[in-house]
Amino acid sequence: QVQLVQSGAEVKKPGASVKVSCKASGYTFTSYDINWVRQATGQGLEWMGWMNPNSGNTGYAQKFQGRVTMTRNTSISTAYMELSSLRSEDTAVYYCARERLDAPDYWGQGTLVTVSS
Amino acid sequence: DVVMTQSPLSLPVTLGQPASISCRSSQSLVHSDGNTYLNWFQQRPGQSPRRLIYKVSNRDSGVPDRFSGSGSGTDFTLKISRVEAEDVGVYYCMQGTHWPQITFGQGTRLEIK
Repeated sequence: QVQLVQSGAEVKKPGASVKVSCKASGYTFTSYDINWVRQATGQGLEWMGWMNPNSGNTGYAQKFQGRVTMTRNTSISTAYMELSSLRSEDTAVYYCARERLDAPDYWGQGTLVTVSS
Repeated sequence: DVVMTQSPLSLPVTLGQPASISCRSSQSLVHSDGNTYLNWFQQRPGQSPRRLIYKVSNRDSGVPDRFSGSGSGTDFTLKISRVEAEDVGVYYCMQGTHWPQITFGQGTRLEIK
């Protein structure tokens, strides 16, 4: 069955970077795009960007341009999302999600990133 | 960015009764390719989101047929014909038409009365 397993919780200081991984199984990793979405505690969902695992092409929400980088390692079916220059407002659960039929269908379990001095 | 506005934000419903959630967009969601990329997600307490409906009215595999989506242009609706206890959670609409500025609604919290 399709599974997306994300890396564990992180605590970072303001100004640092964080890199979250998302390991896919149960399907051909390079056949479906990966989206990243975040959710601050008690808040709604915020789309961050997209990556095509086959080509490596990416597209980012304007809000995150210049601060986010999405990459992948096809040999281990893993996608990565790196966010730099962290600030307290970046404290959130970060989700990866497979895209099928033009929208996220299967989601990872989420990774809590806490930014605190 | 396209603003997605959901109503109501809180929806108390009696078990077995119908429920309806509205989602309005600040711009038309009809893409130049003719499709309308409006999706609905359910997020149960403590869980990751789950897609229920894609492209306005297409139910995902495994989604009970009591869930249905409808609408066009800027006005969309998610309906639950008979609410069950497992339907408790937050429901989000999401537009993918205006990629890469994909946006979600604020969410509607469904609870049992």
